[in-house]
Amino acid sequence: ELKVEQNPLFLSMQEGKNYTIYCNYSTTSDRLYWYRQDPGKSLESLFVLLSNGAVKQEGRLMASLDTKARLSTLHITAAVHDLSATYFCAVGGNYGGSQGNLIFGKGTKLSVKP
Amino acid sequence: DVKVTQSSRYLVKRTGEKVFLECVQDMDHENMFWYRQDPGLGLRLIYFSYDVKMKEKGDIPEGYSVSREKKERFSLILESASTNQTSMYLCASSGPSGNTIYFGEGSWLTVV
Repeated sequence: ELKVEQNPLFLSMQEGKNYTIYCNYSTTSDRLYWYRQDPGKSLESLFVLLSNGAVKQEGRLMASLDTKARLSTLHITAAVHDLSATYFCAVGGNYGGSQGNLIFGKGTKLSVKP
Repeated sequence: DVKVTQSSRYLVKRTGEKVFLECVQDMDHENMFWYRQDPGLGLRLIYFSYDVKMKEKGDIPEGYSVSREKKERFSLILESASTNQTSMYLCASSGPSGNTIYFGEGSWLTVV
């Protein structure tokens, strides 16, 4: 059974600081996703990582994937208040051979304070 | 602009009522999904469908059923709503590769 663990679950940061969110998963998968969710809103896709060693960056966020360690990281550089949200990682599941179903971590609630 | 539309954003239903949550996508996607999201539990897969009239159980199918009569529409049905089904429900769709998954805006269901 595929399990996805994120840590930390809660993160309070000061503006300008750097931090990393970790996402571990239990079985082999070839797809790792990062999503952002604002309160009361749906999920916004941030990154899709499809291969070992993949690294993607968008603004102050950078995601990487190590499939051998079954680990993905989301690194936040010089945090700003607008990054406050809940961040989810998700791993491609394998129900009935269908592509696209995801197993989610429990999310990391990020709060960036001045 | 791609779109997954959940027709009901906020619903309040009584225990025992039959509830329909509708989801429509305009991207001609094969795969469609229903998740529920609860605080501290993240998102959990209820059902998914990879083709018209096809459905597969996810992690928490109990108390739910689904219908996919047309490719663009995937309905989640609560046969007899219970208070523990109070939650936010998210619909999603993806193409055959599954590399990009689009989520709807969510349906907030309260069962009283």
